[in-house]
Amino acid sequence: DQQVKQNSPSLSVQEGRISILNCDYTNSMFDYFLWYKKYPAEGPTFLISISSIKDKNEDGRFTVFLNKSAKHLSLHIVPSQPGDSAVYFCAASSSNTGKLIFGQGTTLQVKP
Amino acid sequence: NAGVTQTPKFRVLKTGQSMTLLCAQDMNHEYMYWYRQDPGMGLRLIHYSVGEGTTAKGEVPDGYNVSRLKKQNFLLGLESAAPSQTSVYFCASSKDWAWAQYFGPGTRLTVL
Repeated sequence: DQQVKQNSPSLSVQEGRISILNCDYTNSMFDYFLWYKKYPAEGPTFLISISSIKDKNEDGRFTVFLNKSAKHLSLHIVPSQPGDSAVYFCAASSSNTGKLIFGQGTTLQVKP
Repeated sequence: NAGVTQTPKFRVLKTGQSMTLLCAQDMNHEYMYWYRQDPGMGLRLIHYSVGEGTTAKGEVPDGYNVSRLKKQNFLLGLESAAPSQTSVYFCASSKDWAWAQYFGPGTRLTVL
């Protein structure tokens, strides 16, 4: 029972273009969503988050969009840079459990 | 300020051996977590703690035990290692459930 799904295992984009990473969830109790970036041989690092009371949160080149009716969130990176090449995990939690549920990850490759 | 540190970084065990993984954080966070990451599975929560002296089971707790005797430390124990426990283990901490979790660099464990 995969409550958080990232259906694209990999994504390749050209430097300077937009990267869009997608994530779907099934549990309507989730009210807090996060994106993490992970480089090889390192721990995940927090990127950006959004609570269910918002539909958009922006931080520099990174924007997260939340569509609650579709149970879908996406991460936009504009413009993409080679240093953005990493595995991106989305995660979700609900206030009554406090536990994060992670998606399987999407490997982003940004080509120079 | 080291953030979240994990000891050891690598370990090879034989089936049936025991070991303890140590996680330490210097951010005065109340919440601490242990995850395992397996290919194609994302990160799965093993156990977590909401404060000193407390522990709770996560998604995949079987075969593991934990202790949180001090606020800054969270120990993960394997009493009798099995090949299925070969994985990369990550520790994380957060200020509260709705705050981002900060991860350590990981421990790569191989059980032969």
